[in-house]
Amino acid sequence: QKEVEQNSGPLSVPEGAIASLNCTYSDRVSQSFFWYRQYSGKSPELIMSIYSNGDKEDGRFTAQLNKASQYVSLLIRDSQPSDSATYLCAVKLGYGGATNKLIFGTGTLLAVQP
Amino acid sequence: DGGITQSPKYLFRKEGQNVTLSCEQNLNHDAMYWYRQDPGQGLRLIYYSQIVNDFQKGDIAEGYSVSREKKESFPLTVTSAQKNPTAFYLCASSLEAGTNYGYTFGSGTRLTVV
Repeated sequence: QKEVEQNSGPLSVPEGAIASLNCTYSDRVSQSFFWYRQYSGKSPELIMSIYSNGDKEDGRFTAQLNKASQYVSLLIRDSQPSDSATYLCAVKLGYGGATNKLIFGTGTLLAVQP
Repeated sequence: DGGITQSPKYLFRKEGQNVTLSCEQNLNHDAMYWYRQDPGQGLRLIYYSQIVNDFQKGDIAEGYSVSREKKESFPLTVTSAQKNPTAFYLCASSLEAGTNYGYTFGSGTRLTVV
């Protein structure tokens, strides 16, 4: 079982719609969760982080965390063609504070259609 | 402006040759990381370092070597023992281990074997 799983997509949504990106993780002790956006040929860019159950909003982005279900999601409201990218979910396992290693999913490709 | 600088942007390696990828950060981050990204495989950890003069192997360290003589610098050498080095290499840094901060990535080096 992969430690962090994402649907590879592509997820295609029309401009102005809500894009919903999902991620599950296998280790129950995971503490911190991150969403990165990666445009083709570019490096990942951190867009959201979440540590507690519930929702966290930042502009058009909302991250949702449910530790009981081991599930984290990213909602993008009013999707724009410029949001078209691969979205990487990353999880920090937090074993005894010994390491800050992030475990990445393989990413979901989002395509916003004009 | 603070950030991470990777160089070169593109690198070509001949068979049997060692090459070194540079990574420098001025964010005063303690931890630094090297990842390799191949199409459809996400980010895989090669090496990481939490403090100067100390580093740990990641999941795919064979054929690679690193050094951490200065806090700001974490160069990666791809040796001739790495049989399939063609990939996109990403360097990242973060605040000290045990925190909830995500990574900041450099712009990447694309290595091709010729």
